[in-house]
Amino acid sequence: DAKTTQPTSMDCAEGRAANLPCNHSTISGNEYVYWYRQIHSQGPQYIIHGLKNNETNEMASLIITEDRKSSTLILPHATLRDTAVYYCIVRSSNTGKLIFGQGTTLQVKP
Amino acid sequence: DSGVTQTPKHLITATGQRVTLRCSPRSGDLSVYWYQQSLDQGLQFLIQYYNGEERAKGNILERFSAQQFPDLHSELNLSSLELGDSALYFCASSVALEGGTEAFFGQGTRLTVV
Repeated sequence: DAKTTQPTSMDCAEGRAANLPCNHSTISGNEYVYWYRQIHSQGPQYIIHGLKNNETNEMASLIITEDRKSSTLILPHATLRDTAVYYCIVRSSNTGKLIFGQGTTLQVKP
Repeated sequence: DSGVTQTPKHLITATGQRVTLRCSPRSGDLSVYWYQQSLDQGLQFLIQYYNGEERAKGNILERFSAQQFPDLHSELNLSSLELGDSALYFCASSVALEGGTEAFFGQGTRLTVV
C-alpha cells in the first residue's frame, strides 16, 4: 500500500484558502488519491478523489502534480466549521481499502 | 447523512464479554470496511468484505471476527473483551473495490469496556 506524508498541523485564517499538501511518491499508476476529514469523533467525511487530473466539487479542489507524486487539497474559503483532521489516502487498486495515516490537523482561526 | 447505518451508537460492557456491532451499507454498495479508532489514535483498518467474501485483512485481533450477510449488512463480533478494546468502531461502504468510487463512513459505535 502506498504511503502518504502530510504535515502534522496547519493554521488558516477564516475566509482564506486552505492549502493542504500531501506527498505520495510511491503511488502506482492506477491508484487514486482520496481526501477525507474527521471532525471531532464523527465518522470520516468523504471530500474528493482523483487519479491524474485536477478535480473540483462543491467542497474542495484537488490538484495532483503531473508526476502524481504529490497533491494539494484546496478549501477555497475556509470557515470555522472546516476545523478538522484531514487525511490524504492512496486507495489500494486491488482491494479498494483505505489506509489512514495521521493526517493534518487544520485549525481555522477567526 | 452518509447512508451508512451503524448500531448501536453506544455500548457499555464488562471485560470478558462478547458484543456484536452491526453495519448496514448504503443501498447498492457491495463492499464493507471496518475500522477501529482508539482514544486519540488514528483509524486502524480491521477487515473488508465484498459481496459476502473477505477481501482484505488488517490488524484484526483473533478475538475479533466479522462477516457480511446475503443482504449485504455486516457484523463485527468482539469477544473476550479487554479494557483496551474501548474505542470507536467505524464501518464504511462502497459500491465497488476499485479506486474511483466513493467510500462513505457511518457515524460509528462507541464501545466502552469497564
